Amino acid sequence: LAKTTQPISMDSYEGQEVNITCSHNNIATNDYITWYQQFPSQGPRFIIQGYKTKVTNEVASLFIPADRKSSTLSLPRVSLSDTAVYYCPAGRKFYFGSGTKFNVKP
Amino acid sequence: DAGVIQSPRHEVTEMGQEVTLRCKPISGHNSLFWYRQTMMRGLELLIYFNNNVPIDDSGMPEDRFSAKMPNASFSTLKIQPSEPRDSAVYFCASSPKEGRPIVIPGELFFGEGSRLTVL
Repeated sequence: LAKTTQPISMDSYEGQEVNITCSHNNIATNDYITWYQQFPSQGPRFIIQGYKTKVTNEVASLFIPADRKSSTLSLPRVSLSDTAVYYCPAGRKFYFGSGTKFNVKP
Repeated sequence: DAGVIQSPRHEVTEMGQEVTLRCKPISGHNSLFWYRQTMMRGLELLIYFNNNVPIDDSGMPEDRFSAKMPNASFSTLKIQPSEPRDSAVYFCASSPKEGRPIVIPGELFFGEGSRLTVL
């Protein structure tokens, strides 16, 4: 089972750029790397996906090294509304786990 | 589109009772997933369907749990008999891509969940 490893929690202050890392050592060759965001009392919501190198959208950037055994979600200039749990599900069974509880402080 | 619709949003029941959770996926999506979320174990995949057929139910905790998808627009997750340790939030999600294999797995849309409390 392709599982991922993430920090249990992270804190930051408003306006900072934040990087959340994920380790996915068992990712398959043709699997994409995805990140999701979950607010309290809601289901997870897709943020970004990539296969390798760098991907950027209006919400975040995703950095993937050549060996694809890890990825980094970069959130630019975070605000209080970015406080959420972030997941990097791996593999075709969408293993989410417990994610990273990210808290933005004023 | 209305998104993935789950019902009930909240359910409180007593140990031993049967619980049925319902899900309506997004129209046109051909994969459906049931997840369970608890503080201890995070978000766990229970089962997923592709074109109404169960593909992998290895995450279903035990025989007390069963899931069906009689047609493309409806699925149920049933717990019989329920136990206090089944208390959790149960999420349904759908995807426009096939469940196996998924080459680009980003398109997974979740419902708002059903919070189950078993007393």
